[in-house]
Amino acid sequence: DTGVSQNPRHKITKRGQNVTFRCDPISEHNRLYWYRQTLGQGPEFLTYFQNEAQLEKSRLLSDRFSAERPKGSFSTLEIQRTEQGDSAMYLCASSPMGQGARGFGPGTRLTVT
Amino acid sequence: DQQVKQNSPSLSVQEGRISILNCDYTNSMFDYFLWYKKYPAEGPTFLISISSIKDKNEDGRFTVFLNKSAKHLSLHIVPSQPGDSAVYFCAARLNGGKLIFGQGTELSVKP
Repeated sequence: DTGVSQNPRHKITKRGQNVTFRCDPISEHNRLYWYRQTLGQGPEFLTYFQNEAQLEKSRLLSDRFSAERPKGSFSTLEIQRTEQGDSAMYLCASSPMGQGARGFGPGTRLTVT
Repeated sequence: DQQVKQNSPSLSVQEGRISILNCDYTNSMFDYFLWYKKYPAEGPTFLISISSIKDKNEDGRFTVFLNKSAKHLSLHIVPSQPGDSAVYFCAARLNGGKLIFGQGTELSVKP
C-alpha cells in the first residue's frame, strides 16, 4: 500500500528564491489537495484538483503560488520569490471523489531565511 | 473568520478513561465532518468521519457525535491509551470539496 508521498521533506531557501514541491497521491485517487500548516494552527486549504482540473484556489494563494497536476497523477506546487512568511509545512492529500481528504503525505517543511 | 473551532488547546486524561474532544462550527452548509490525528513530523492521519445527515458514527474505540442544531461535534475515545497521545484535528467539508480545519487539541493520555 503506497500512501501519499511528498518531496522534498525539508527545504531551506533564501528569501527571493523559487521553490517547487512535488506530491504523488495514492494511485486511483482522482482528488488531490494542497494545504499549508503553521505552528499551533490547523491545516489551511490552498487548492485542490479533480484529475488534472484545478477546481478551487484559496484567496490565501497569492500570484506567487502556482500548482499543477498535468496528467491527473502527481502534482507540483511552486512558490516564486519566497518570503519569510511562506515558512510553513506544506501538506498534500488525496482522496476518491466525495470522501474528503483521506490520505495525507508527510509534508514538506519550508524554511525561508 | 474561523468557521471551525476547537476551543481546548489541550486535554489530559488517565489511561483507560474516556477522552472527549470537542469541535464547534458556524457554517450550516458543511456536509461532512472528519477527525484526524497527527503526530509530530507526520501528516494528519484520518480517523473517523460522519455525514451531516447522521448523528453518530462508531469505529472501534472511536465514536463521533454530531449535534446539528448546536453546530457541535465531538470525538469520544474509549478506553484511552497512551498511544492515543497526539494532536487531534476536526475538519468540515464545504461544497463537497475543500476541508476547513480547526486549530487542534493536543491529547495526552497518562499511564
